Parts: sequence; structure tokens; C-alpha cells
Amino acid sequence: AQTVTQSQPEMSVQEAETVTLSCTYDTSESDYYLFWYKQPPSRQMILVIRQEAYKQQNATENRFSVNFQKAAKSFSLKISDSQLGDAAMYFCAYRSAGGGSQGNLIFGKGTKLSVKP
Amino acid sequence: NAGVTQTPKFQVLKTGQSMTLQCAQDMNHEYMSWYRQDPGMGLRLIHYSVGAGITDQGEVPNGYNVSRSTTEDFPLRLLSAAPSQTSVYFCASSYSRGLANEQFFGPGTRLTVL
Repeated sequence: AQTVTQSQPEMSVQEAETVTLSCTYDTSESDYYLFWYKQPPSRQMILVIRQEAYKQQNATENRFSVNFQKAAKSFSLKISDSQLGDAAMYFCAYRSAGGGSQGNLIFGKGTKLSVKP
Repeated sequence: NAGVTQTPKFQVLKTGQSMTLQCAQDMNHEYMSWYRQDPGMGLRLIHYSVGAGITDQGEVPNGYNVSRSTTEDFPLRLLSAAPSQTSVYFCASSYSRGLANEQFFGPGTRLTVL
């Protein structure tokens, strides 16, 4: 079974600085997707960024980028120029590329990010 | 499009009561699922469905029932509520496979069982 581990329960960053959130996963599959979701205090789950395992190029969405290391099974999220609105819980998630039960999302336990003004 | 909608947003139950959490999506997604979120535990899968008439259990299915009579709706039933079911519940939907399989989440239901 696949597992996702976020080893940092809490992180803090100064406004305008850069922070990296860690995520490792365990799988025997070769084709899968990885996601970072943001959950602000409103508790709405918001997709931040997505990575397909077959793509070597790291995904980027504006100030958010990932460092995807497939061999090391590592998927870290970098937030540049941190803003107060980035303060939230961040979840790393894994999803098999197959359908059926393989399509379920497997979540890490989350990292709570605080942004200091 | 309304996306994924959930009702109610908040609910308080007494132990032993039953209720149904409603979930609907208007994106014609085949795949729908229910998660519960507990402090320090992330989101855990309760039940899921890959299409109308097809449901299956996730990681924590005990105490919950689901059905999928239409593509749009995927209600979650608590048969006899227990304090251990106090949690925030999320419904999600997506296409089953392929690049367009981002899961879209509803706003969540905060359930308290006394």
C-alpha cells in the first residue's frame, strides 16, 4: 500500500521569504500523480500544484514550485515570496494513474504553515 | 457550475441518532468519494464510487453507508452516530482517469456527536 509522510507538523516563514515543505511517499508503482493541497482556515481544500510522475520537469505555478525526486520518492513544495495569505495547512497527496480503487487520494498528515509579517 | 456542494455545513447529533450528509456535483464526474479529517490525521477515505451503482469501502468505512443512484449525488449515511464520528467530512469528485483527474472538494461538513 502507498503511504505519504509529511515530517514537519508546523513551519514558519517571514513574509517575502522562501519556505520549503517536505513530503516523501512510498509506492511500487511507476505511474502516478502527486499533489499539494492548501487548506486555509475556511477549510476549503484548494489544489496548489500537481506533478505527473512520468514528467521529469518540476511543476511550477507562479510562486509555487516543486522539487520532484522520483528515485528518492520525494516531493517538496517551495513557496517563494511568501505572503500572509499563504498561511494555511498544506497537504501532500498521492494518486495512482490507474482507475477504480487506484484513483483514491492518499494524504499526508499535513504541515501547518505560519507567515510572520 | 456550482462544483461540489455539501449540506449541511454544521451538524450536532446525539449518540445513536442517524443522519445523511448530502453531496452533489454538476461536473459529470464518474468518481466521487467521502473523506473525514481529524486533527493530526490528514484526510482519510471513508467510501468511494467509480460510477452510478458502484461503491466500495475506503480506509475507515465502519459506521457509514453510501449509495450512488445517480452520477450527480453521493450521500453518506451515519446509521447510529458515535462520538468517534465527530469530525469534518469532505466530499470530492473527479474524472476517473487521465490527466484531468484533479479531485474537486466540497466545503466540508463539521459534525459533532455528543
